[in-house]
Amino acid sequence: EVQLVESGGALVKPGGSLRLSCAASGFTFTDAWMNWVRQAPGKGLEWVGRIKSEGDGGTIDYAAPVKGRSTISRDDSKNTVYLQLNSLKTEDTAVYYCTTASLRITMIVGAFDIWGQGTVVTVSS
Amino acid sequence: SYELTQPLSVSVALGQTARITCGGNNIGRKNVHWNQQKPGQAPILVIYRDTDRPSGIPERFSGSNSGNTATLTISRAQAGDEADYYCQVWDSSTVVFGGGTKLTVL
Repeated sequence: EVQLVESGGALVKPGGSLRLSCAASGFTFTDAWMNWVRQAPGKGLEWVGRIKSEGDGGTIDYAAPVKGRSTISRDDSKNTVYLQLNSLKTEDTAVYYCTTASLRITMIVGAFDIWGQGTVVTVSS
Repeated sequence: SYELTQPLSVSVALGQTARITCGGNNIGRKNVHWNQQKPGQAPILVIYRDTDRPSGIPERFSGSNSGNTATLTISRAQAGDEADYYCQVWDSSTVVFGGGTKLTVL
């Protein structure tokens, strides 16, 4: 079964840090470009960042609101992608989803056909 | 930065056709993807590359894209189609989502 499972969400104080994990199964993780997308309470989807496959250079890109405060990494031996969040702000409160393309065609066109169930990050004093 | 504009809400009578638009500068030159999200659930992909349906998505879901507007069309709308719908594109090396449209089936 194709699956993404996020973990690591928690209640954190402003200024704190957190590392989220996303474990993948059921598809060729080493070929996948892995993305993080978040959704603040009652709001829409917001892309956080992406890490390419090592075969495609492993390039990482971030959205402006998290650039400089976040680090995406991957461990292909564990089929896992990580999102390190630092200097957390109350506006970082959201459900964080891991998402990717599992099919060759969706990978080529940049569509996300697999989503995890999300992990909740709450930033509050 | 690239922006996508969606109506906040669309209403459709049961069994009728709903159309949800996604506006962007020359969006017709991009691949547009549509995601459906029901309350409390993760999004799912319903249309990719403007018009293609992933396996398991009903034929009632279709898409088009031209000029400055992409459109998701849901024919013979059912109560189960009530959800938020988000269009999505890539711009340079970043992903852009539309603000989302809440579809209500009356």
